[in-house]
Parts: sequence; structure tokens; C-alpha cells
Amino acid sequence: QKEVEQNSGPLSVPEGAIASLNCTYSDRVSQSFFWYRQYSGKSPELIMSIYSNGDKEDGRFTAQLNKASQYVSLLIRDSQPSDSATYLCAVIITGYSTLTFGKGTMLLVSP
Amino acid sequence: DAMVIQNPRYQVTQFGKPVTLSCSQTLNHNVMYWYQQKSSQAPKLLFHYYDKDFNNEADTPDNFQSRRPNTSFCFLDIRSPGLGDAAMYLCATSRDYPRLAGAAYNEQFFGPGTRLTVL
Repeated sequence: QKEVEQNSGPLSVPEGAIASLNCTYSDRVSQSFFWYRQYSGKSPELIMSIYSNGDKEDGRFTAQLNKASQYVSLLIRDSQPSDSATYLCAVIITGYSTLTFGKGTMLLVSP
Repeated sequence: DAMVIQNPRYQVTQFGKPVTLSCSQTLNHNVMYWYQQKSSQAPKLLFHYYDKDFNNEADTPDNFQSRRPNTSFCFLDIRSPGLGDAAMYLCATSRDYPRLAGAAYNEQFFGPGTRLTVL
């Protein structure tokens, strides 16, 4: 069974801190990994994609992938109150043509 | 700007009264998806099209139908909405199916969504 697991949170961090969001997946042959940000009442917005083991950086965001541990994470440096949102992890599993989403982690950044 | 557009943004209907939600895209993407998302839940895939080839998820209720008359447009029809169908309905597109790992065409882009209320 395809599963993507995330801690629902909320994860609370002070402004300026590093927020660390984690995601595990059950299928060993998963091949593509995505992080979406979703503000309350809005649609998901793609912020990062990662396909290879290691780190991928884009501005204040760093995605980390460890396929051996079936683990993908998102780090947000210098967190801002505007980063407060739900972060959805999504995975494409080999042989499937669609995304499998986790339920998301709510991040709260306090001023 | 290239984008995914959904109309209406908010839809109120009565129990059992058919409703149609629309999605259009200017990205010229081959694949279009319809998702249902309820509060604090992951988006749930209902349908997807590669061009006009239709794919129905096994657990999508028969009450939901979809049409894609051309590359740019896709519609979601709810034949007899029930209270449990109140949700955010999300349309998304991708350039292709994920045939190769690491390809940019794996990425899905979402429209703003339609919030459906059933009275």
C-alpha cells in the first residue's frame, strides 16, 4: 500500500529559526519527491522537487532526500511569519502516474 | 502568465442539485487532474486525463463525472451533491506523466480551487 506519512503538527518555531519538516514513505521504489505549501483556504503551491539523494537548496528552502531510509525533509532557514502554512509532502511511486500526498504538517512561525 | 484557472472560486448548491466546476489551463500541459480536499486532509485524486484518455480512480464515487472537451478545458460534474461532497475541489496539470524520474514534467501545478458548499 502506498503511504506517505507526516507529523500533523503544529510545528511552532520563532521567527528567524530553522523549521524542519519531515516525511517518510513506504514504497522503496519511489522516485520523485515534492514539497507543496498550502495556506489556509488556498490551493497547494509547489516549492521544491527532489529526485536524487542528498540536499537541494533554493533560497531559504533546502530539501533533503535519503532513499535508503525512505525519508525526505524540508528545511526552512530564517523562518518568517509568512511561512506559516501547511506543508504537504508528495511522492511519485515507480509505475504509478500520479502523486501520493501526505496529510501535511502545519507550521506556525511566531514573530 | 501561463496558469491554471478554476471557476467559480466559490459554489453553493442545494442537496441533490447538479453542479459543474470548470478548469482551464494555458500551460499547454497534456495531463489534467481533479482532486477533492476536505479540511485537514490530503488532496484525494478523483480523475486524471492524458489528453483525452480518461482515468478514473477506483474509489471515486459514481456521483462524480468528468469531461475534457479539449486540451485546455476540463470539467467536474457532481450529479447529486450530498453533504459529504462539501470540499475544496482542486484542478492540477502536468506536462506529462512521470515516465522518467527526475524530469521536470513530473511537476504538478494547481489552480486556485473551487470551494463547494452543499446546503
